[in-house]
Amino acid sequence: EIVLTQSPATLSLSPGERATLSCRASQSVSSYLAWYQQKPGQAPRLLIYDASNRATGIPARFSGSGSGTDFTLTISSLEPEDFAVYYCQQRSSWPPSITFGQGTRLEIK
Amino acid sequence: QVQLQESGPGLVKPSQTLSLTCTVSGDSIGSRGHYWSWIRQHPGKGLEWIGYIYYSGSTYYNPSLKSRVTISVDTSKNLFSLKLTFVTAADTAMYYCARETDGCFDPWGQGTLVTVSS
Repeated sequence: EIVLTQSPATLSLSPGERATLSCRASQSVSSYLAWYQQKPGQAPRLLIYDASNRATGIPARFSGSGSGTDFTLTISSLEPEDFAVYYCQQRSSWPPSITFGQGTRLEIK
Repeated sequence: QVQLQESGPGLVKPSQTLSLTCTVSGDSIGSRGHYWSWIRQHPGKGLEWIGYIYYSGSTYYNPSLKSRVTISVDTSKNLFSLKLTFVTAADTAMYYCARETDGCFDPWGQGTLVTVSS
């Protein structure tokens, strides 16, 4: 099973600052990596797919990069509504398998 | 607009079977290119993929749950279902259904909390 490790566990920043979240895979996942945002009491929302493609309706301040084993989600200038938990997720082609990272909590400083 | 809605009992007794249904609107469950998925989240914890099903009936499960999980599809009613047998307190979680496309999940249902307790 491919393990995804996210860092940091918690990130404390202020609105307007830049956020950089990391996701490292235990083996190469090529570009098959997605990022999700989850707010309290809500289901996760897809932000980024295939490592760097923004999902429909996602603001341009969210961007993803990386391939292989190291990936980054960047929020260029934090808005108040961006404070949430972020998860990365990979899929293996064969056998089909999906795993999530343990999450990074982005909190207001 | 595609929407998914989970339904089922919120309380299940230990050793019994957890049964949930996900009703899909705004898309046909028979449409090609999508897998229909179950994902759970233990209280205060991260996300765990349970498994998914294609409209044809092909299924793929998380190896850690495979012996207890069955996912089925009813294309005539545009829904899919989850059964998890021999539940314990460790199966208490929020259960989400979601549409999977090319390896990622979008959209998700709102989730349903299932508590395992006597």
